Amino acid sequence: EVQLVESGGSLVQPGRSLRLSCTASGFTFDDYAMSWFRQVPGKGLEWVGFIRSKAHGGTTEYAASVKGRFAISRDDSNSIAYLQMNSLKTEDTAVYYCVDGSLGYWGQGTLVTVSS
Amino acid sequence: DIVMTQTPLSLPVTPGQPASISCKSTQSLLHSDGTTFLYWYLQKPGQPPQLLIYAVSNRFSGVPDRFSGSGSGTDFTLKISRVEAEDIGVYYCMQSIQLPYTFGQGTKLEIK
Repeated sequence: EVQLVESGGSLVQPGRSLRLSCTASGFTFDDYAMSWFRQVPGKGLEWVGFIRSKAHGGTTEYAASVKGRFAISRDDSNSIAYLQMNSLKTEDTAVYYCVDGSLGYWGQGTLVTVSS
Repeated sequence: DIVMTQTPLSLPVTPGQPASISCKSTQSLLHSDGTTFLYWYLQKPGQPPQLLIYAVSNRFSGVPDRFSGSGSGTDFTLKISRVEAEDIGVYYCMQSIQLPYTFGQGTKLEIK
């Protein structure tokens, strides 16, 4: 059974940094890209970015709204994907979801609140 | 960016009746390899989105066959043959042919 568990969400002040983790199980993590999406409570869904598998270069892509501030990385030996969020803004407040490469399996999400 | 437009935004349905949601994109979602990169998700209250349909018409694992997807190019439809109470929530279409991936605004299905 595929499972994705996000962690690391919290209340953080504007301008600070936060790192989210996504621990995966139930599939061959190395073989797949991993994506991050977010959702402002009560609003729609937004793609944040993804990291390709090492076999496809391990490169990353980002939404314009986070490019230059967020970075996705992966630890294939431990089946973990990370979302490093720097220079956080109040508009980054959202539930962040980790999603597998098929776009079919989503974690339960972790809430990030950016507020002073 | 590709804009995804869903209609209707609100859909009251009587249990046992059919329901249909439209999703239109501003660009074709057909890839040169023949795949059309259109997904349908359902987000039930308090839960993450769950994939219903991928590549226009393929039901994801465990999805009941009362859900079906159709369409091509820029025009897509999700149909529920007989709505059940457990189908309530917000339905989203999403495209992944071009970055950034983009979603429709969502269609809230409620039971009459």
